[in-house]
Amino acid sequence: KAGVTQTPRYLIKTRGQQVTLSCSPISGHRSVSWYQQTPGQGLQFLFEYFSETQRNKGNFPGRFSGRQFSNSRSEMNVSTLELGDSALYLCASSLEQGTLGTQYFGPGTRLLVL
Amino acid sequence: ELKVEQNPLFLSMQEGKNYTIYCNYSTTSDRLYWYRQDPGKSLESLFVLLSNGAVKQEGRLMASLDTKARLSTLHITAAVHDLSATYFCAVEGGATNKLIFGTGTLLAVQP
Repeated sequence: KAGVTQTPRYLIKTRGQQVTLSCSPISGHRSVSWYQQTPGQGLQFLFEYFSETQRNKGNFPGRFSGRQFSNSRSEMNVSTLELGDSALYLCASSLEQGTLGTQYFGPGTRLLVL
Repeated sequence: ELKVEQNPLFLSMQEGKNYTIYCNYSTTSDRLYWYRQDPGKSLESLFVLLSNGAVKQEGRLMASLDTKARLSTLHITAAVHDLSATYFCAVEGGATNKLIFGTGTLLAVQP
């Protein structure tokens, strides 16, 4: 079974631009969560989608948004990029809503904002 | 607000030695996860602990959960170089898929 895939794997943007990251969950998984990983703040929860609905949101500004499609694929968008948005963005998929099962993480998208 | 603390942050150990990583969390939760991350890589699931007293073992790693003490441990037995990585514990923040991660423990096993 194919794992979680994320595209692109690496991205370089400049301040003020916007970016869209994509995540395809494991086949059959309906929940997709997004996390930001930075050396300073560690791993932080961004949001979770289940059946095309945002179920939970972390403490990030409105510049961070996402959506989920009917095939469970998810996209995350960051507008008006800031230097501090440079991070590894990880998505995770799981079978159920709520942590009734393990979340499986994708390889991540490494974003560098210049 | 749920907080998760790990210690130590950094652990340098010799091959063949035993050691334990500790994970404390601040509010009640019955589900705790351990992940491993190699440099530049994503997170690999190691253990899911779902109830008080749960113990799981895989190779040289054994994880346990004490929900009353809000404590989980990851015990390393007879460490080998291949175990060098960063280990994270994570606790669910309510009945959702919101995982609150600990700071991570960077484990370096020296030959």
